[in-house]
Amino acid sequence: GDSVTQMEGPVTLSEEAFLTINCTYTATGYPSLFWYVQYPGEGLQLLLKATKADDKGSNKGFEATYRKETTSFHLEKGSVQVSDSAVYFCALRVTLGGGNKLTFGTGTQLKVEL
Amino acid sequence: EAQVTQNPRYLITVTGKKLTVTCSQNMNHEYMSWYRQDPGLGLRQIYYSMNVEVTDKGDVPEGYKVSRKEKRNFPLILESPSPNQTSLYFCASSMLQDRGPDNEQFFGPGTRLTVL
Repeated sequence: GDSVTQMEGPVTLSEEAFLTINCTYTATGYPSLFWYVQYPGEGLQLLLKATKADDKGSNKGFEATYRKETTSFHLEKGSVQVSDSAVYFCALRVTLGGGNKLTFGTGTQLKVEL
Repeated sequence: EAQVTQNPRYLITVTGKKLTVTCSQNMNHEYMSWYRQDPGLGLRQIYYSMNVEVTDKGDVPEGYKVSRKEKRNFPLILESPSPNQTSLYFCASSMLQDRGPDNEQFFGPGTRLTVL
C-alpha cells in the first residue's frame, strides 16, 4: 500500500540555521505530494505541494522538489526562525476515483531556539 | 471566513458512554473526512464521504460511525468508546479531486478525546 516515511524528530536548530526534513514515499500510480504544518494547539495547514515529477513547491521560504527517481520530497528552508517551530507532516495523495485521501508520515517536530 | 469547525475541542468521557463529535464546513465541499492523530503514527483516516449519503471506511474505522445527511456536516459517532480511542481527531474537507487541481484539504482545529 501507499506509505510515507519521515525522519524522526525532534529536530532542534538555532535561529538562521539551514533546515532539511527528509521524506520518502511508496505509492502506486503517480501521487501528488504535500507538506503540512501543525502549530501548537492548531489544526494542519497546507504548507506547499507538488503534483508531478520535478515540480518544486514553495511557500514562506520553504521548498520541496518532487523527485520521482528517488521517491523523495525533502523539505528545506535556508534560514529558520523561532516562529517556524511546529510539527511538519509529509503526505501523499493518489488519484482514487475522485476521492481525496491523504496518506501521512508520522510527523517531524521542529524546535528553533534563539 | 472559509473554515472547518469541530465541537467539542476537548472531551473527557468514560468507557461505553456514547458520544458525537460534530464537524461543519462552510465551503460547499463535497468531500469530508475524519482522521485520528497518534504519537508515532501520524494521521490515519477513519471514514470519508464523497457527498451526501455517501460514506466509506478509511484505514481505521473500527469502533466509529459517521453520517452525512447534509453537505456541510459530517459528525463522528463513538457508540461505545474505549480507552484505545483516546486520541486527537481532525475533520477535513475539500472539493473532489476531479473538480480541478485546486482541491486543497482544509482541516478543523482538532478534538482531543480522552476515554477513561
